[in-house]
Amino acid sequence: AQKVTQAQTEISVVEKEDVTLDCVYETRDTTYYLFWYKQPPSGELVFLIRRNSFDEQNEISGRYSWNFQKSTSSFNFTITASQVVDSAVYFCALSDTQGGSEKLVFGKGTKLTVNP
Amino acid sequence: GAVVSQHPSWVICKSGTSVKIECRSLDFQATTMFWYRQFPKQSLMLMATSNEGSKATYEQGVEKDKFLINHASLTLSTLTVTSAHPEDSSFYICSARIQGTYNSPLHFGNGTRLTVT
Repeated sequence: AQKVTQAQTEISVVEKEDVTLDCVYETRDTTYYLFWYKQPPSGELVFLIRRNSFDEQNEISGRYSWNFQKSTSSFNFTITASQVVDSAVYFCALSDTQGGSEKLVFGKGTKLTVNP
Repeated sequence: GAVVSQHPSWVICKSGTSVKIECRSLDFQATTMFWYRQFPKQSLMLMATSNEGSKATYEQGVEKDKFLINHASLTLSTLTVTSAHPEDSSFYICSARIQGTYNSPLHFGNGTRLTVT
């Protein structure tokens, strides 16, 4: 069965620090997708990135970057020069295609607090 | 684009009453919508997959008769919590995928916070 582990429950940093959120996944599928979502205090889920299992290139989007390592089944997320507005809960998710349902399996989330 | 609207944003109801939550895709059609539940400081747990024109598929442990799902059109799915009890108090959030896409990002509604007194 699919599983996503986010070992860091809470992280607190000071503004401008870099921070990395860890995500480790388990799957038997050869083709799968990984996602990161941000959930600010208001509750909505904001899509950040999707990566398919065949694309191991790291990706950078502004202050955000993602490191996908298939060998270690990890998909880590780094925020460079963190800002207070980055404070949120971040979820890593894995697609579950069993039965063709295309549903997502979420990790437990990492609460990031960026202090001024 | 790809906006999902969820209504209401919050609701307080008395124990024993039923509550209906709507999930609408505003600018796209969604054959499939997903209903998640989130307890405080916890992850999102999939409750059911809502399929337009057919019965919903429920996850193990989710009571079908308690959480009624109807997906009558390509833009609307509803979740009705029947005979609500305090333990049903939670944050319910729906998501939808643009029709015809596979493993594309799910678009989430803003969620509904249900409090049962």
